[in-house]
Amino acid sequence: QVQLQESGPGLVKPSGTLSLTCAVSGGSISSSDWWSWVRQPPGRGLEWIGEIYHSGSTIFNPSLRSRVTLSVDKSKNQFSLKLSSVTAADTAVYYCARKTYYFERSTYFSAQSFDYWGQGTLVTVSS
Amino acid sequence: DIQLTQSPSSLSASVGDRVTITCRASQSISTYLNWYQHKPGKAPNLLIYGASRLQSAVPSRFSGSGSGTDFTLTISSLQPEDFATYYCQQSYSTPPTFGGGTKVEIK
Repeated sequence: QVQLQESGPGLVKPSGTLSLTCAVSGGSISSSDWWSWVRQPPGRGLEWIGEIYHSGSTIFNPSLRSRVTLSVDKSKNQFSLKLSSVTAADTAVYYCARKTYYFERSTYFSAQSFDYWGQGTLVTVSS
Repeated sequence: DIQLTQSPSSLSASVGDRVTITCRASQSISTYLNWYQHKPGKAPNLLIYGASRLQSAVPSRFSGSGSGTDFTLTISSLQPEDFATYYCQQSYSTPPTFGGGTKVEIK
């Protein structure tokens, strides 16, 4: 059973950098899956931030691209998020998740989903 | 970005009720639609992927249907542990986007 656990400061000052790490257990970060970050501001919906492959390849949400850095540490089986120049609008519960792909050759069925998630960590941006 | 509109945004139901939640996409997404259950303080839980495929270990009272722009999540007989918020999510194009959620409450 794959498990993910977020960690990092719960309070970040405005204009500072939010830094979170997601530890993966029960599976290898070097699998064929991608590793994602999703956030949910209080009272609002879920927003995908971006994802990283174990090779270091990344894909970002265009709305956050300029402020996001993703990295992976295969030796520790974990991946990390940095979000710079934060404001109160970045206050949210941040989740890490595994994105997996499905393909059935016989039916040409294909799909992608976030099949494992961390419990989330609340990050508040405030002075 | 593809917009997903869920309805209703909330509903009240009793144990044993049949519950239906809909999700409409702003453009055709084939069957690239997933459903998640989310309880406060917990990790979201994948229920359905590819519009209709039941994720392993998810009870069979959950089912999904639809293709193109209109999708449905059905709970055939609501159980006490099913009171939660449900989200749809499209994986047709980047960025993946989520619906606004449907909160299922006890009547």
